[in-house]
Order: sequence, then structure tokens, then C-alpha cells
Amino acid sequence: EAQVTQNPRYLITVTGKKLTVTCSQNMNHEYMSWYRQDPGLGLRQIYYSMNVEVTDKGDVPEGYKVSRKEKRNFPLILESPSPNQTSLYFCASSLLAGETQYFGPGTRLLVL
Amino acid sequence: GESVGLHLPTLSVQEGDNSIINCAYSNSASDYFIWYKQESGKGPQFIIDIRSNMDKRQGQRVTVLLNKTVKHLSLQIAATQPGDSAVYFCAENRSNYKLTFGKGTLLTVNP
Repeated sequence: EAQVTQNPRYLITVTGKKLTVTCSQNMNHEYMSWYRQDPGLGLRQIYYSMNVEVTDKGDVPEGYKVSRKEKRNFPLILESPSPNQTSLYFCASSLLAGETQYFGPGTRLLVL
Repeated sequence: GESVGLHLPTLSVQEGDNSIINCAYSNSASDYFIWYKQESGKGPQFIIDIRSNMDKRQGQRVTVLLNKTVKHLSLQIAATQPGDSAVYFCAENRSNYKLTFGKGTLLTVNP
């Protein structure tokens, strides 16, 4: 089944403890992206990747890192999480940039 | 600044009625538009898309209309069902590398 998977789905952590949220797609998509979704603010892009080893900042990149070593994986790294990073995170992919994006199920993060 | 917006944040309809969800966009250079549905606790799900060289596209029970003159996009859902209750987002392709999403409209279907 064609899909985008994320892990973990739920995570509670404490301020400053590094964490990684994994994202994987099995559709051979070139473009991948991370979003956070907050009430009243909609989906905001954190980082995106046009292809392997090509990443760039989205609208709200502060406090986040990403890597794209393989086409199928695009992990989101929070080196030192803070409470303002408590949010619902979505990974998405598309065959090419600017085309229909397919979303993962989301990761709900709570930073205490 | 330019943004994708929605006319109504909430919409309540009776089961069986038709629903119309609206979206305004301001970038006349946008050439691709998508509607997504997001159910509670799930990720956004693709519904239907339309390119700027079209003004109407139909799917199963859904129709998207694009009016480039007034920069307006709408999603019509025929015979709305309880399972259609969700938040609906429009998105536009403003550049070749990203989509810009609206904040969403909550559709509630009353039995």
C-alpha cells in the first residue's frame, strides 16, 4: 500500500532532550516536507527536501533540523526541544515539488 | 501579504444536503489548486485538484470550481453524509517547490 509513515505517533518529552521523528514513504517520491499544525494557524512548513541531499528551510525552521540521506526517509530532529514546539507534526511527500502532497498520520508532540 | 484564505471557518449542513466550501486566493500566478479533507486525529487526505487551465473538475460526489477572474475556489459536496464531517483545506501552488495551505473550514453534518 502506498503510504507515508511516521513514528512515533505520540511523544511526551522534557525540555532539552533531543528527539527524532522518523518519516518514510514508499512511493519513490522526490519531494518531502515537514509541517506543524497548531490551532488557528493551519499547516506551516518547517523544512522541505527536493531530493536526496537537498533540503531547505520552510516558513518556521527555527529549532528543527532535517536530513535526506535516502530518498524514502526524511527524519525531523529537535536538538533541544522547547515547550513552544508542542504541536501536531505531519510529514508529506509528492512525486515532484509543487504537486499533490500525501500526508502521514501525524505525530503529536508534547514538550514539558 | 498574499495568502490562501477561507470565507467561513465553520459550516453546518443537514445530511443529504449539498455543501459548498469556499476559498479565496490572491496570487494570480498560482496554477494548481488542491482540496484536502482532514478527519479528527488523521492527516490531511487528498480529495480533488484542479489546474488553472480548467474551471471545473468533478470527482465522486465532489466538484471543484475555479474562478480565476475573482480568484475564488470552491468545493461542492453532493448529498453530504455524516462521514463527510471534517476540516477541509484548500492549497495552492504558488511556486514550483511548495504548496501554501489555507487554515481550513470545519464541516459538520447533522443527521
